[in-house]
Amino acid sequence: DSGVTQTPKHLITATGQRVTLRCSPRSGDLSVYWYQQSLDQGLQFLIQYYNGEERAKGNILERFSAQQFPDLHSELNLSSLELGDSALYFCASTTGTGYGYTFGSGTRLTVV
Amino acid sequence: TQLLEQSPQFLSIQEGENLTVYCNSSSVFSSLQWYRQEPGEGPVLLVTVVTGGEVKKLKRLTFQFGDARKDSSLHITAAQPGDTGLYLCARTGTASKLTFGTGTRLQVTL
Repeated sequence: DSGVTQTPKHLITATGQRVTLRCSPRSGDLSVYWYQQSLDQGLQFLIQYYNGEERAKGNILERFSAQQFPDLHSELNLSSLELGDSALYFCASTTGTGYGYTFGSGTRLTVV
Repeated sequence: TQLLEQSPQFLSIQEGENLTVYCNSSSVFSSLQWYRQEPGEGPVLLVTVVTGGEVKKLKRLTFQFGDARKDSSLHITAAQPGDTGLYLCARTGTASKLTFGTGTRLQVTL
């Protein structure tokens, strides 16, 4: 157990639907990062939050959004899902210093 | 856009063999990290290198950061089946976000 908890582990949904992925960071970590891993694109940075505020955005689609709550857990919302959104979605947390990233086990999203 | 190229892309070797994985970029890194990812799991941090020319050892794994801080290598001595996985290099950028390399998939067989 890495200390970063992601739920659900697997998700199968239909095109056009909306899903929410949840991440609880390691205790004491203020930064949460979301990454998408697909076979053809590798691991791609989506978005970062630090202590409730958005800090950086990467290759995140407008159909996707995220937030970090006062208890520091984060949610990634994916809407109007397309087949190409099928991927592994990882959350990682750090203390904010840039070192010591800890990843969760990921959520495998399958859009059918 | 992938900023970090890893080679080889795939590597299948027998237990006991040595191997080296490379991570290259056209730009300078402030720091570089190496991760190993096993199926169904997230990447696990192996090491962080920050100084040009730095060499770090982790049991049978040796990590080297190039003098110009544009490249890095991971050498595994006497590979074991437990070393099987996807090896990823990653550089830190603005807001400490990671940019990952293309990955090297290693298979070690008995």
